[in-house]
Amino acid sequence: KAGVTQTPRYLIKTRGQQVTLSCSPISGHRSVSWYQQTPGQGLQFLFEYFSETQRNKGNFPGRFSGRQFSNSRSEMNVSTLELGDSALYLCASSLVSGKETQYFGPGTRLLVL
Amino acid sequence: GESVGLHLPTLSVQEGDNSIINCAYSNSASDYFIWYKQESGKGPQFIIDIRSNMDKRQGQRVTVLLNKTVKHLSLQIAATQPGDSAVYFCAENNNNDMRFGAGTRLTVKP
Repeated sequence: KAGVTQTPRYLIKTRGQQVTLSCSPISGHRSVSWYQQTPGQGLQFLFEYFSETQRNKGNFPGRFSGRQFSNSRSEMNVSTLELGDSALYLCASSLVSGKETQYFGPGTRLLVL
Repeated sequence: GESVGLHLPTLSVQEGDNSIINCAYSNSASDYFIWYKQESGKGPQFIIDIRSNMDKRQGQRVTVLLNKTVKHLSLQIAATQPGDSAVYFCAENNNNDMRFGAGTRLTVKP
C-alpha cells in the first residue's frame, strides 16, 4: 500500500505570494491532518479534515486554510506569505480520526524569501 | 534578528546499549500517546502507541511506559543500532487535539 504523498517536495516563494500544497493520504484513510514544523516551534497542528469537513483547527491565522476532496486528498493554502512561514509542512493521514495512528508524508519544505 | 530554535535534549548511546527517551506530557485528560521517529529530511515515522488504560506496551525492540500519575511517557529501545539515530517525538491526543513534544535527538555511536 502506498504511503502518504505530498507535492511539491520543495518550494521557494517570495513574501506576499500565496502557495498551495497537496497531500494524498493512504488509500482508505479518510482523516488528513496538517502540521507545520520549524526549528523554533517544533511540530504544530494546523488543521484536520474528515469527509471534506474541517474537524479541528490549531492556533494559526486565517491566512492558513485547507480543504479536502471527496477522494480524501487534501490541499492547504497559505496566502500573503510571510518570512516566518518558511517551514516543513507535513501531512498525516489516519483511518477515521486523530485518535488512531497517523502516518506522515515526507513533507513539503517551503522557503519564503 | 536571530531566531532562537528549540534546544533539543540529546541522548548519546553506544551501539548495542539500551536507550531510554523520556517525555513529560501536559494534559491529564490525554488518553492516547504515540512515539514517532524522524530522520533527517523525512517525515515522522510511527514507532509505537499506547492508550491511557495501559501502563506498558511492547513492540519489536521498543517498549513504551506510561505513568499517568506524573504525566510521564518513556520509550525504551533495546540493543540500539546506528539506524536508530534520529529525533524522537512523543505526542499526546485529547479529543482529537494532537500535541507533540519538542523531541529528543538520539545519537548512536558505533
